[in-house]
Amino acid sequence: GDSVTQMEGPVTLSEEAFLTINCTYTATGYPSLFWYVQYPGEGLQLLLKATKADDKGSNKGFEATYRKETTSFHLEKGSVQVSDSAVYFCALSDRGGTSYGKLTFGQGTILTVHP
Amino acid sequence: DARVTQTPRHKVTEMGQEVTMRCQPILGHNTVFWYRQTMMQGLELLAYFRNRAPLDDSGMPKDRFSAEMPDATLATLKIQPSEPRDSAVYFCASGLPGTSGLTGELFFGEGSRLTVL
Repeated sequence: GDSVTQMEGPVTLSEEAFLTINCTYTATGYPSLFWYVQYPGEGLQLLLKATKADDKGSNKGFEATYRKETTSFHLEKGSVQVSDSAVYFCALSDRGGTSYGKLTFGQGTILTVHP
Repeated sequence: DARVTQTPRHKVTEMGQEVTMRCQPILGHNTVFWYRQTMMQGLELLAYFRNRAPLDDSGMPKDRFSAEMPDATLATLKIQPSEPRDSAVYFCASGLPGTSGLTGELFFGEGSRLTVL
């Protein structure tokens, strides 16, 4: 079945540091890939997405590139802010059959950014 | 501003009591999901519906959990009887596969935090 593996956390960084959170996936079909973010006490919000190989999703300074050859979708940001402190989830949606639309999530990575 | 609405936001109950959580999906979305989030297990898919029909509820303990969509604007998740191990945050999400460039994006509610004593 489909699965998503994320880098173990938690991740603690100083403000303006570079961020990478690794994500790899296994899917039987040709999935869409997502990064969701969860701020304390809130639901998950879509951060960025990519639907085909070599697509780059970007939003709020975050980027991730869909790499089919390495089955990866690593999240990066060049300069993090304290307000980026949250839990980040990598996810895939397999676009085939009745499972279409169902999201499979990684375990989540807690990011804490200090001033 | 379209959003998924969940009630209650917080619920504290005693073991053995019935708990019902409700979700109003975004108008026009035809797919609704129930996820459970715990520190130990992360996000687990409990059940989901398309056009109000249940497609998969294999993630739910069948003896105590039930999920329904009485109409297109309401999804319910019921636990009877509740147990302490059911303590978690329960999220509802809705989407409309086939639109937005076939991306499969889901929109989440803010969750219902359940504590069973």
